[in-house]
Amino acid sequence: EVQLVETGGGLIQPGGSLRLSCAASGFTVSSNYMSWVRQAPGKGLVWVSIIYSSGNTYYADSVKGRFTISRDTSKNTLYLQMNSLRAEDTAVYYCASEADNWTPLGAFDIWGQGTMVTVSS
Amino acid sequence: EIVMTQSPATLSVSPGERATLSCRASQSVSSNLAWYQQKPGQAPRLLIYGASSRATGIPARFSGSGSGTEFTLTISSLQSEDFAVYYCQQYNYWPPLTFGGGTKVEIK
Repeated sequence: EVQLVETGGGLIQPGGSLRLSCAASGFTVSSNYMSWVRQAPGKGLVWVSIIYSSGNTYYADSVKGRFTISRDTSKNTLYLQMNSLRAEDTAVYYCASEADNWTPLGAFDIWGQGTMVTVSS
Repeated sequence: EIVMTQSPATLSVSPGERATLSCRASQSVSSNLAWYQQKPGQAPRLLIYGASSRATGIPARFSGSGSGTEFTLTISSLQSEDFAVYYCQQYNYWPPLTFGGGTKVEIK
């Protein structure tokens, strides 16, 4: 079964750091484009970062220089290292990818269940 | 950055009726447009990609149309499980990938 499971969310003080994990099963993270998408409470979806199968990485301007996306092929897991966290980073963080061969790159047909990150003192 | 604008913000529809949701891009995204459904407490689910192709397992009552800057998602006969929030997303010019603000379809 194709599945993504995020872990690592929690309550963190402003300025702190947190690392999110997204464990994949049923496909290989290094073969896919893998993204992080976040959703603040009661708000819409916002793309955060992507890592290509080539290893190239890209970020939303709002997190550039603070967040780092990476992957561990041996663990088939995607990560998001979040530093210098701000109150406005408070959101549910989803990892997402395309698993079906028909799904075009950039669209997401598989999502994790999400992990909540709360930045507050 | 391409800005995606959805309308209306909220759509009140009776079960069995047709729902028509709109999405506009600030510049042409060709047909590189996806629609997602999200229910409370759940992750989004891909409905449509390529503006008009249904994703695997999506019922035929969901259809998408449009190209360039104007897109429509139509739900032909609303079922109880279709009341949710719907998002469009462009994947033509990225990064960044961008989503619309969402349309909430509620029971009238």
